[in-house]
Amino acid sequence: NAGVTQTPKFRVLKTGQSMTLLCAQDMNHEYMYWYRQDPGMGLRLIHYSVGEGTTAKGEVPDGYNVSRLKKQNFLLGLESAAPSQTSVYFCASSSAGLLSFRPQHFGDGTRLSIL
Amino acid sequence: DQQVKQNSPSLSVQEGRISILNCDYTNSMFDYFLWYKKYPAEGPTFLISISSIKDKNEDGRFTVFLNKSAKHLSLHIVPSQPGDSAVYFCAASFAYSGAGSYQLTFGKGTKLSVIP
Repeated sequence: NAGVTQTPKFRVLKTGQSMTLLCAQDMNHEYMYWYRQDPGMGLRLIHYSVGEGTTAKGEVPDGYNVSRLKKQNFLLGLESAAPSQTSVYFCASSSAGLLSFRPQHFGDGTRLSIL
Repeated sequence: DQQVKQNSPSLSVQEGRISILNCDYTNSMFDYFLWYKKYPAEGPTFLISISSIKDKNEDGRFTVFLNKSAKHLSLHIVPSQPGDSAVYFCAASFAYSGAGSYQLTFGKGTKLSVIP
């Protein structure tokens, strides 16, 4: 029972390089989210999606792009990496409960360092 | 402007005693609150939640209390066990406001250490 899987787990980039973080969930959840966590901080929402083909900005979207071409996958892209984007990135998913709140399920994170 | 605050970065408790983790919020429109537990090198794991229409929710050793007038919630763990040592995040949502996305606003977390 995989749940939410993030790829890769670790990555080191040079300033200006681009990369894509992949999130895959096998729970048939409608909603997916990307967060970043910095030292001494809570998780901050970057972008989210309420369904296949839809995306929306969260609290800290600048410098990131996302795509959700398939329901089970949510991709986070860094077009030109900056040292300020050094962080741990978490993907999460949740179902769209109509009668009761559904908690988010998280992956184990991608630790990204930008030199 | 931090809407969800966990003012204690760390807490140490003796095994078998009660652990009380606190969380304050500023936005009275939040209507659902959650606690997540996080071990190092792992993602947060959902622990327990409470709707704004309740003032208490219990699940085994874990109880969450909500005081809406004070905009305060707390997580009680009784009895505390060494395996409970982790970072605990409080989160809030506008779950029933019609936003539809169930976005969460997180506090900075409290690191709980349970001493054997």
